[in-house]
Amino acid sequence: DAKTTQPNSMESNEEEPVHLPCNHSTISGTDYIHWYRQLPSQGPEYVIHGLTSNVNNRMASLAIAEDRKSSTLILHRATLRDAAVYYCIHKAAGNKLTFGGGTRVLVKP
Amino acid sequence: DAGVTQSPTHLIKTRGQQVTLRCSPKSGHDTVSWYQQALGQGPQFIFQYYEEEERQRGNFPDRFSGHQFPNYSSELNVNALLLGDSALYLCASSLFDGDSYNEQFFGPGTRLTVL
Repeated sequence: DAKTTQPNSMESNEEEPVHLPCNHSTISGTDYIHWYRQLPSQGPEYVIHGLTSNVNNRMASLAIAEDRKSSTLILHRATLRDAAVYYCIHKAAGNKLTFGGGTRVLVKP
Repeated sequence: DAGVTQSPTHLIKTRGQQVTLRCSPKSGHDTVSWYQQALGQGPQFIFQYYEEEERQRGNFPDRFSGHQFPNYSSELNVNALLLGDSALYLCASSLFDGDSYNEQFFGPGTRLTVL
């Protein structure tokens, strides 16, 4: 199964940016990089995905290394509501998502 | 538009019993995937249904089975429950993903406790 490596936890102050790293050295050329997050007592929710180019949406930005072996999820201004476990996944065709342990983000007021 | 719904919210069973969990996908979605999430861990893929057939399966025993109905809703059945089956069971719906980029929408889950 596809494997990613993420730090167990990160802390940030409210209104400051958060950079969440992910290593996915076994990624194949056609795998997309997906990020999901799971707020307390909820199911995971989609954050962003990309293939080769950097991506932006209303929730976050995704910076993908040129060799695609790593990526960084950027939350530009963390709010208390962004406290969650963030999962980085590289995903082949088909709907299966292989979750790792994720990074627990703590946002301090 | 209702998102993914799951029932029941919570369930308590005893070892050896059987359980059925239900999922209604987001409107317009045709694919349902089921995940098991133990406390403090990431979700683990159980299986995926599309066109009423199991398309992919994770590393789970045959005690775990499922079904998809013509309206795309789905059931997860677990037989001969073990204490280790206690977990949050998540259902996710999506469009069938031949190109690997479709996002999945998750329900709130069913918390199963096996005593």
